Parts: sequence; structure tokens; C-alpha cells
Amino acid sequence: DAGVIQSPRHEVTEMGQEVTLRCKPISGHDYLFWYRQTMMRGLELLIYFNNNVPIDDSGMPEDRFSAKMPNASFSTLKIQPSEPRDSAVYFCASSLMGSNQPQHFGDGTRLSIL
Amino acid sequence: KQEVTQIPAALSVPEGENLVLNCSFTDSAIYNLQWFRQDPGKGLTSLLLIQSSQREQTSGRLNASLDKSSGRSTLYIAASQPGDSATYLCASPGGAGANNLFFGTGTRLTVIP
Repeated sequence: DAGVIQSPRHEVTEMGQEVTLRCKPISGHDYLFWYRQTMMRGLELLIYFNNNVPIDDSGMPEDRFSAKMPNASFSTLKIQPSEPRDSAVYFCASSLMGSNQPQHFGDGTRLSIL
Repeated sequence: KQEVTQIPAALSVPEGENLVLNCSFTDSAIYNLQWFRQDPGKGLTSLLLIQSSQREQTSGRLNASLDKSSGRSTLYIAASQPGDSATYLCASPGGAGANNLFFGTGTRLTVIP
């Protein structure tokens, strides 16, 4: 069974550009999570969805960040405009039944903003 | 807000040694405690999930314990192998029914052949 699939794996772009990260969760999972990992702050939850509905976006750092989940098999995290401090590894994870079940992570998108 | 701490940040052991990784949390009203493994350039892989009503969980050479009163969890790895080299993270939800996980910063384990 395919795991969580993220694309692209690496993204390098100049500040001010729009960045779109993509995620396909595991089929049948009803929770989807977006995380950001940096050396300084570790792993932080940005936003999560339940049945395609955003439930908690309190971790989204600024209005420059937005996330959507138009259907059960696809989600995007968009940064517009991007800044160098947004450079990090962004992970998507999915789970069945929220935090009472293990989360399954994708391999992440390594984002570098120049 | 649940705060999760892992010490040490890095650990090196010779192959075959048994070892313990530590995790501390601030809110004793813990819902569950989860242990993950992260390999370089990869996402996290769930290893064990201990419910608040449990004291420990085992999977193969791994055993995780939970002591709510002291705010601590340990991950015991028996007969370590070079393939166990990775970063190990623990995490806990923000509370009963919460789905946001708070992660420790991890312990980077190196098992020397």
C-alpha cells in the first residue's frame, strides 16, 4: 500500500516567489497534518484537517501561508510571497482517527528560499 | 501546552549494547505518548504508541514505558544494531481529544559496528 506522497522533494526558489507543496495522504485516512521541521524549532504542527475541513490552523506562522484540502486524496500548502526564513523541511502526515492512532509521514519537501 | 524534552541530543553506543532513550513531558494528564524514528532525509516512522492507561508497549527489540506521575517515558532498545542508527523522537497530544502532537527535539543515535 502506498504511503503518504509529497511533491516536490526539493524546491529552491527566490524570495518573493509563490511556493506550492503537495500531499497525497494514505487512502482511507481522515486526518491530514502539515508540519515544518527546522534545526532551531524542531518539528511544529502548522495545520490539520479532518474529513477535508481545516480544524486547527493556529500553527500557521503568517497570512503568507495557506493550506487547502479540496478532496480526501489531495492537499496543498502554499506560501506567497516566500521569504528566506521559510526555508525548512515541510512534512505531510495522515492518520485514521486522529492522535489516538499513529501518524504516517511522507518523506517531506526540503524548501530553500534564496 | 504540553512541552516535551529529550536528553541527550546525541548518543553513540557499540553494537550489541542495550540502551535507553529518555523523554520528559510537562502535563501529567497525558493522552498518549508516541515514539518515532527518523532516518536522514526521510519522514518519521511510528514505532510505538502508549495509551495513558498503559504502562508499556513492546515491538520486537523495542520496549517503551510510560510513567505519568514522574512525567517520563523511556524507549529501551535491546541488542542494538547499526541499522538502529537514526534520530528518535517522542511526541504527545496537547490533551485528551486533541490531535495536535507536540514533539521533542529528538535523540540522534549512532550504533557503532
